[in-house]
Amino acid sequence: DAGVIQSPRHEVTEMGQEVTLRCKPISGHDYLFWYRQTMMRGLELLIYFNNNVPIDDSGMPEDRFSAKMPNASFSTLKIQPSEPRDSAVYFCASSLDTGARQYFGPGTRLTVT
Amino acid sequence: AQKITQTQPGMFVQEKEAVTLDCTYDTSDPSYGLFWYKQPSSGEMIFLIYQGSYDQQNATEGRYSLNFQKARKSANLVISASQLGDSAMYFCAMREIQGAQKLVFGQGTRLTINP
Repeated sequence: DAGVIQSPRHEVTEMGQEVTLRCKPISGHDYLFWYRQTMMRGLELLIYFNNNVPIDDSGMPEDRFSAKMPNASFSTLKIQPSEPRDSAVYFCASSLDTGARQYFGPGTRLTVT
Repeated sequence: AQKITQTQPGMFVQEKEAVTLDCTYDTSDPSYGLFWYKQPSSGEMIFLIYQGSYDQQNATEGRYSLNFQKARKSANLVISASQLGDSAMYFCAMREIQGAQKLVFGQGTRLTINP
């Protein structure tokens, strides 16, 4: 199994531009999570899906952030418009079941200038 | 609300020594899972070990063991015979089974192994 796949691995964009991060979970995993890691706030959950349905989006910082999961093998996290404070590493993770281990992707390092 | 506390921002240990990384947690959910992840300088999150709240025995995975003290709400990670490659950030995390089900992380401990 290839594990959780994220793209791009690095993204540099200018303030005001739209950014789309992509994730392919491990096949058969019912849960998908988006996390953000910054020096100031550490690792924080943004949103998670169960069977493609968003369950908890309380961690999404503001309306500029949106996430979708159109099918079991693909999810996107979109930031529009992006701001310098969005610069962070964004991780996608998937798991089989509640309480199960979460498998993390390699992360996308986003820099907004 | 669930909370994870790692009180050691950084630790320095001599190679081949054992090291204990502290983690305390707080939750009102009787069912939960505790996890430790390693994040080397390359950035990926590597799963190390898992302990369920109802597990009677402490979890072990190779050189890693979890010292689970439920009454004290602590879940310390013990690394035996440390190696240079163990130098990394280590995160303790908890996931409530019946509650929010999200993984909540501590702030991490940066471990440095000296030769």
